[in-house]
Amino acid sequence: GNSVTQMEGPVTLSEEAFLTINCTYTATGYPSLFWYVQYPGEGLQLLLKATKADDKGSNKGFEATYRKETTSFHLEKGSVQVSDSAVYFCALSENDYKLSFGAGTTVTVRA
Amino acid sequence: GAGVSQSPSNKVTEKGKDVELRCDPISGHTALYWYRQSLGQGLEFLIYFQGNSAPDKSGLPSDRFSAERTGGSVSTLTIQRTQQEDSAVYLCASSLQLKDTQYFGPGTRLTVL
Repeated sequence: GNSVTQMEGPVTLSEEAFLTINCTYTATGYPSLFWYVQYPGEGLQLLLKATKADDKGSNKGFEATYRKETTSFHLEKGSVQVSDSAVYFCALSENDYKLSFGAGTTVTVRA
Repeated sequence: GAGVSQSPSNKVTEKGKDVELRCDPISGHTALYWYRQSLGQGLEFLIYFQGNSAPDKSGLPSDRFSAERTGGSVSTLTIQRTQQEDSAVYLCASSLQLKDTQYFGPGTRLTVL
């Protein structure tokens, strides 16, 4: 079956630091890959996505590249802000369109 | 425009009672999904509806859980004879079509005492 494994948190960083959250997946076919973000007190929002190998998704300074050879979709941001404090979820979906999520990584950015 | 809305935002119930959770998808979205977010299980898929097709119920954890979607719009998730392990945040999402981006509602936090 499909599964997503993401780096355990919590992660605490200082402002302007570099952020990486690792995500690897197991799938039977060729899934689409997503990063969702949940800000404090808010609902899940799509941050970025990639639908095929070597695609790069990007949004709000975050990037992730679909790596089929390593079955990975690591999230990166070069310079984080306090407003990036949130829980980040890696997810995949295949032809059945159900999202399978990782456990979530809590990120706290300190001023 | 309006996003996905869910009601109630919080529900506290006693073990053994039935509960109904409501989801209003984004207008015009044909696909609707229910997920559950709990401490022990993380975020897990429950059920989805696509237009008038039969729903995919493969994620429902037991026969106490059921869902319907009336007129291709509003959906209700019903949990009968609630148990403490049903305590979770129940999330609804909708998308224009099955293959499109899913937009999530704020969730209903269910607490079973």
